[in-house]
Amino acid sequence: AQSVTQLGSHVSVSEGALVLLRCNYSSSVPPYLFWYVQYPNQGLQLLLKYTSAATLVKGINGFEAEFKKSETSFHLTKPSAHMSDAAEYFCAVRTFGNEKLTFGTGTRLTIIP
Amino acid sequence: DAGVTQSPTHLIKTRGQQVTLRCSPKSGHDTVSWYQQALGQGPQFIFQYYEEEERQRGNFPDRFSGHQFPNYSSELNVNALLLGDSALYLCASSLRQGAYEQYFGPGTRLTVT
Repeated sequence: AQSVTQLGSHVSVSEGALVLLRCNYSSSVPPYLFWYVQYPNQGLQLLLKYTSAATLVKGINGFEAEFKKSETSFHLTKPSAHMSDAAEYFCAVRTFGNEKLTFGTGTRLTIIP
Repeated sequence: DAGVTQSPTHLIKTRGQQVTLRCSPKSGHDTVSWYQQALGQGPQFIFQYYEEEERQRGNFPDRFSGHQFPNYSSELNVNALLLGDSALYLCASSLRQGAYEQYFGPGTRLTVT
Protein backbone atom coordinates (compact mmCIF):
# COMPACT_ATOMS: atom_id res chain seq x y z
CA ALA A 1 0.00 0.00 0.00
CA GLN A 2 1.11 3.54 -0.64
CA SER A 3 -0.01 6.77 0.97
CA VAL A 4 0.95 10.42 1.30
CA THR A 5 0.56 12.85 4.19
CA GLN A 6 0.83 16.58 3.65
CA LEU A 7 1.31 18.46 6.89
CA GLY A 8 -0.47 21.79 6.90
CA SER A 9 -3.55 22.27 4.77
CA HIS A 10 -2.83 26.01 4.62
CA VAL A 11 0.55 27.74 4.54
CA SER A 12 1.09 31.50 4.37
CA VAL A 13 4.44 33.12 3.61
CA SER A 14 5.51 36.66 2.83
CA GLU A 15 6.61 37.58 -0.66
CA GLY A 16 10.36 36.93 -0.89
CA ALA A 17 10.39 34.47 2.02
CA LEU A 18 11.25 30.78 1.93
CA VAL A 19 8.50 28.39 0.91
CA LEU A 20 8.47 24.98 2.62
CA LEU A 21 5.66 22.52 1.95
CA ARG A 22 5.85 19.19 3.75
CA CYS A 23 5.18 15.72 2.36
CA ASN A 24 5.71 12.34 3.98
CA TYR A 25 5.05 9.10 2.19
CA SER A 26 4.45 5.49 3.05
CA SER A 27 5.44 2.74 0.66
CA SER A 28 6.56 -0.86 1.07
CA VAL A 29 8.74 -0.60 -2.03
CA PRO A 30 10.92 2.20 -3.44
CA PRO A 31 8.62 5.04 -4.46
CA TYR A 32 8.38 7.46 -7.30
CA LEU A 33 7.38 10.87 -5.92
CA PHE A 34 5.83 13.91 -7.53
CA TRP A 35 4.74 17.43 -6.74
CA TYR A 36 1.90 18.98 -8.72
CA VAL A 37 0.47 22.51 -8.58
CA GLN A 38 -3.16 23.41 -9.20
CA TYR A 39 -4.31 26.96 -9.89
CA PRO A 40 -7.99 27.83 -9.35
CA ASN A 41 -10.35 26.10 -11.78
CA GLN A 42 -7.49 24.37 -13.57
CA GLY A 43 -5.97 20.91 -13.83
CA LEU A 44 -2.71 19.76 -12.28
CA GLN A 45 0.69 20.85 -13.54
CA LEU A 46 3.77 18.75 -12.81
CA LEU A 47 6.38 20.69 -10.82
CA LEU A 48 9.00 17.98 -10.35
CA LYS A 49 9.54 14.25 -9.92
CA TYR A 50 11.82 11.83 -8.07
CA THR A 51 12.47 8.53 -9.82
CA SER A 52 15.41 7.05 -7.86
CA ALA A 53 18.18 9.07 -9.48
CA ALA A 54 19.49 12.20 -7.72
CA THR A 55 17.87 12.76 -4.32
CA LEU A 56 17.76 16.55 -4.81
CA VAL A 57 15.35 17.29 -7.61
CA LYS A 58 14.94 20.64 -9.34
CA GLY A 59 11.68 21.56 -10.99
CA ILE A 60 10.00 24.41 -12.76
CA ASN A 61 9.45 27.92 -11.39
CA GLY A 62 12.43 27.68 -9.02
CA PHE A 63 11.03 24.83 -6.90
CA GLU A 64 13.07 21.90 -5.67
CA ALA A 65 12.53 18.89 -3.42
CA GLU A 66 14.79 16.49 -1.57
CA PHE A 67 14.07 12.78 -1.18
CA LYS A 68 15.06 11.58 2.31
CA LYS A 69 14.55 7.84 2.65
CA SER A 70 15.40 7.76 6.37
CA GLU A 71 12.67 10.32 7.06
CA THR A 72 10.28 9.08 4.35
CA SER A 73 9.95 12.69 3.27
CA PHE A 74 9.85 14.67 0.04
CA HIS A 75 9.44 18.30 1.10
CA LEU A 76 9.04 21.05 -1.51
CA THR A 77 11.00 24.29 -1.18
CA LYS A 78 11.54 27.56 -2.98
CA PRO A 79 14.04 30.16 -1.71
CA SER A 80 11.96 33.24 -2.48
CA ALA A 81 8.18 33.27 -2.83
CA HIS A 82 6.44 35.17 -5.62
CA MET A 83 2.83 36.27 -5.69
CA SER A 84 2.31 33.95 -8.67
CA ASP A 85 3.13 30.93 -6.45
CA ALA A 86 -0.24 31.20 -4.71
CA ALA A 87 -2.00 27.93 -5.53
CA GLU A 88 -2.83 24.45 -4.22
CA TYR A 89 0.09 22.00 -4.09
CA PHE A 90 -0.26 18.22 -4.14
CA CYS A 91 2.32 15.58 -3.33
CA ALA A 92 1.80 12.18 -4.97
CA VAL A 93 3.39 8.73 -4.90
CA ARG A 94 3.39 5.68 -7.12
CA THR A 95 5.53 2.57 -7.31
CA PHE A 96 6.98 0.44 -10.05
CA GLY A 97 4.29 -1.73 -11.61
CA ASN A 98 1.50 0.23 -9.90
CA GLU A 99 0.17 2.77 -12.33
CA LYS A 100 -2.05 4.77 -10.03
CA LEU A 101 -0.95 7.99 -8.40
CA THR A 102 -1.92 8.36 -4.75
CA PHE A 103 -2.28 12.00 -3.76
CA GLY A 104 -2.13 13.84 -0.49
CA THR A 105 -4.95 16.15 0.55
CA GLY A 106 -3.10 19.22 -0.67
CA THR A 107 -1.61 22.40 0.81
CA ARG A 108 -3.01 25.78 -0.10
CA LEU A 109 -0.18 28.31 -0.34
CA THR A 110 -0.99 31.97 0.24
CA ILE A 111 1.57 34.70 -0.45
CA ILE A 112 1.38 37.82 1.70
CA PRO A 113 2.43 41.02 -0.12
CA ASP B 1 2.32 20.20 -29.12
CA ALA B 2 -1.22 19.82 -27.81
CA GLY B 3 -1.51 18.79 -24.21
CA VAL B 4 -4.28 16.74 -22.66
CA THR B 5 -7.71 18.01 -23.63
CA GLN B 6 -11.06 17.26 -22.01
CA SER B 7 -14.67 17.96 -22.89
CA PRO B 8 -16.99 19.34 -21.83
CA THR B 9 -15.61 21.92 -19.41
CA HIS B 10 -18.71 22.00 -17.24
CA LEU B 11 -21.74 19.78 -17.01
CA ILE B 12 -24.92 19.84 -14.93
CA LYS B 13 -26.93 16.64 -14.56
CA THR B 14 -29.82 15.40 -12.46
CA ARG B 15 -29.68 12.48 -10.03
CA GLY B 16 -30.22 9.17 -11.79
CA GLN B 17 -29.00 10.39 -15.17
CA GLN B 18 -25.98 9.13 -17.06
CA VAL B 19 -22.97 11.18 -18.19
CA THR B 20 -20.06 10.71 -20.61
CA LEU B 21 -16.82 12.66 -20.30
CA ARG B 22 -14.16 12.70 -22.99
CA CYS B 23 -10.36 12.94 -23.02
CA SER B 24 -7.69 13.22 -25.68
CA PRO B 25 -4.18 12.39 -24.46
CA LYS B 26 -1.01 14.35 -25.04
CA SER B 27 0.56 13.66 -28.41
CA GLY B 28 2.65 10.48 -28.27
CA HIS B 29 1.02 9.12 -25.12
CA ASP B 30 -0.74 5.75 -25.12
CA THR B 31 -2.16 5.47 -21.60
CA VAL B 32 -5.06 7.34 -20.03
CA SER B 33 -5.98 7.50 -16.36
CA TRP B 34 -9.07 9.07 -14.80
CA TYR B 35 -9.27 10.73 -11.40
CA GLN B 36 -12.09 12.22 -9.35
CA GLN B 37 -11.33 15.33 -7.29
CA ALA B 38 -14.00 16.30 -4.78
CA LEU B 39 -14.01 19.86 -3.48
CA GLY B 40 -11.11 20.46 -1.10
CA GLN B 41 -9.63 17.00 -1.64
CA GLY B 42 -6.79 15.44 -3.58
CA PRO B 43 -7.56 13.50 -6.76
CA GLN B 44 -8.67 9.87 -6.33
CA PHE B 45 -7.75 7.26 -8.95
CA ILE B 46 -10.72 5.78 -10.81
CA PHE B 47 -9.08 3.58 -13.45
CA GLN B 48 -6.46 3.42 -16.19
CA TYR B 49 -6.70 2.33 -19.82
CA TYR B 50 -3.95 0.99 -22.04
CA GLU B 51 -4.32 -0.84 -25.36
CA GLU B 52 -8.08 -0.34 -25.11
CA GLU B 53 -8.34 -2.34 -21.89
CA GLU B 54 -8.87 -1.36 -18.27
CA ARG B 55 -5.55 -2.17 -16.60
CA GLN B 56 -6.04 -1.00 -13.06
CA ARG B 57 -9.03 0.19 -11.05
CA GLY B 58 -9.43 2.20 -7.89
CA ASN B 59 -12.13 1.88 -5.26
CA PHE B 60 -15.07 3.04 -7.37
CA PRO B 61 -18.36 1.21 -8.02
CA ASP B 62 -19.31 -0.38 -11.30
CA ARG B 63 -21.41 2.68 -12.12
CA PHE B 64 -18.11 4.12 -13.28
CA SER B 65 -16.96 2.63 -16.57
CA GLY B 66 -14.69 3.65 -19.38
CA HIS B 67 -13.44 3.04 -22.82
CA GLN B 68 -10.29 3.69 -24.81
CA PHE B 69 -10.33 4.05 -28.57
CA PRO B 70 -7.67 3.02 -31.12
CA ASN B 71 -6.45 6.64 -31.30
CA TYR B 72 -5.81 6.46 -27.50
CA SER B 73 -8.60 8.88 -26.61
CA SER B 74 -10.86 7.82 -23.79
CA GLU B 75 -14.33 8.20 -22.30
CA LEU B 76 -15.51 8.01 -18.73
CA ASN B 77 -19.13 6.99 -18.21
CA VAL B 78 -21.04 7.33 -14.96
CA ASN B 79 -24.49 5.77 -14.62
CA ALA B 80 -27.23 6.43 -12.07
CA LEU B 81 -25.66 9.69 -10.92
CA LEU B 82 -25.66 10.51 -7.21
CA LEU B 83 -25.24 13.90 -5.57
CA GLY B 84 -21.89 12.65 -4.29
CA ASP B 85 -20.61 12.26 -7.84
CA SER B 86 -20.33 16.05 -8.08
CA ALA B 87 -16.61 16.69 -8.56
CA LEU B 88 -13.87 17.72 -10.94
CA TYR B 89 -13.00 14.79 -13.18
CA LEU B 90 -9.40 14.81 -14.34
CA CYS B 91 -7.89 12.88 -17.19
CA ALA B 92 -4.16 12.16 -17.20
CA SER B 93 -2.06 10.73 -19.99
CA SER B 94 1.29 9.00 -19.91
CA LEU B 95 3.61 6.75 -21.85
CA ARG B 96 3.37 3.15 -20.71
CA GLN B 97 7.05 2.34 -21.23
CA GLY B 98 9.97 4.39 -20.06
CA ALA B 99 8.20 7.27 -18.35
CA TYR B 100 7.05 7.90 -14.82
CA GLU B 101 4.91 11.02 -14.83
CA GLN B 102 1.31 11.64 -15.78
CA TYR B 103 0.17 14.85 -17.47
CA PHE B 104 -3.23 16.19 -16.54
CA GLY B 105 -5.93 17.92 -18.51
CA PRO B 106 -7.96 20.90 -17.27
CA GLY B 107 -10.77 18.69 -16.02
CA THR B 108 -14.53 18.51 -16.38
CA ARG B 109 -16.59 20.01 -13.57
CA LEU B 110 -19.66 17.81 -13.02
CA THR B 111 -22.51 19.08 -10.88
CA VAL B 112 -25.31 16.69 -9.96
CA THR B 113 -28.54 18.28 -8.72
